[in-house]
Parts: sequence; structure tokens; C-alpha cells
Amino acid sequence: EAGVTQFPSHSVIEKGQTVTLRCDPISGHDNLYWYRRVMGKEIKFLLHFVKESKQDESGMPNNRFLAERTGGTYSTLKVQPAELEDSGVYFCASSPNQASEQYFGPGTRLTVT
Amino acid sequence: GNSVTQMEGPVTLSEEAFLTINCTYTATGYPSLFWYVQYPGEGLQLLLKATKADDKGSNKGFEATYRKETTSFHLEKGSVQVSDSAVYFCALSDYSGAGSYQLTFGKGTKLSVIP
Repeated sequence: EAGVTQFPSHSVIEKGQTVTLRCDPISGHDNLYWYRRVMGKEIKFLLHFVKESKQDESGMPNNRFLAERTGGTYSTLKVQPAELEDSGVYFCASSPNQASEQYFGPGTRLTVT
Repeated sequence: GNSVTQMEGPVTLSEEAFLTINCTYTATGYPSLFWYVQYPGEGLQLLLKATKADDKGSNKGFEATYRKETTSFHLEKGSVQVSDSAVYFCALSDYSGAGSYQLTFGKGTKLSVIP
């Protein structure tokens, strides 16, 4: 069974540009989560999808971040426009049920210069 | 709100040494507790978990016991190997009130084991 995959593995962009990160969850997992780790800090929750609906987006830092999960399969996280403080590693996780174990992807390292 | 505090390291040990990584938490509800591990170049993997007080999670020689009275979930291993070199994250899962069991993580502890 394929695990959670994320693309790209690394992205370097300039301040003010747009970047879109993609996450493919484990097949059949209705729950999809986004987290990020800014350098030197904890991994922080961003948001949670159940199928195509946003269940909890309390961790989204501001309106420059837009997450979508059309069709309830893969998800994208767009940052527009990117700022320096957005640099970090963005993790995606999925789970079959809300209270069950979350399986993580390898992360996307975003560098904003 | 919820929070997790763990020793930040880095921790450097010789092979076969005893490992302890301390982790304490604060939570508004009754959380489940986890240790995740990130090996170099890889994603986060669940190492072990415990869902209620006095439960002991174990895997690959690592153990941690859910201590509600001290709000702790310390990670231990009796004899570390070079292959255990990684970053270890303590985490809790609690109902957020917004319909989500989001994970709250500690900052991570980098472990290096030397031969």
C-alpha cells in the first residue's frame, strides 16, 4: 500500500511569488491534515479535511494560505504571496478515522528568499 | 490550550547506552500520547502510542508510559544503536473543539548515536 506522498520535496521561491504544494493521502483515508514546522519551532497544525470539507482550519496563519481538496482525494496548499516567514517544512498526514493514527508524508521544504 | 515540552538536545550517546528523552504535556481534555520519529531524509513515523493513563507503549525496544499524575510520557530505550539516530517528537492528540483531533507536538530532540 502506498503511503502519503507530497510534491515537490523542496521548493525555493522569491518573496511575493506563489507556490502550490500537493499532498496525496493514503487511498481510502477520508481525513487529511496539513502541518508545518518553521525553523526551530514546533510542528504546528494548519487544517483538517474530512473528504472535501474543511473540518477545522483554526491553525491557518492568515489569508495568504489557501487549502483545497476537490473531490476528496488529493489536496493542495497554495501560498500567495509568499513571505520570508513562510519558510519551513510542510507536512501532510492522513487517517481513516478522525481519532485514529495519522500517517505522515515526507514533507515539502519551502524556502522563501 | 494544549502544549508539549520535551528536552531539546541534541543528545549524543555511545552505542549501547541508555536513552531517556523527557516529555511533559498540558491538555484541556484527556489526550492520547505519541512518540514520532523522523529518520534522516524521511517523513515522520509513529514510534509508539498510549491512549490512557498507565498504558505503556512499546516498539523497536523503545518504551514510554502514560503518567497522568505527572503529565509525562518519557521515552526510554535500554541500549541504543547507531540506526536509532534520528529526531524524536513527543505529541498529543486531543479533541480541538472545532471537530478535529489535531496533533500538538514538542520541538523535537535530535539523537546521534556514535559507534
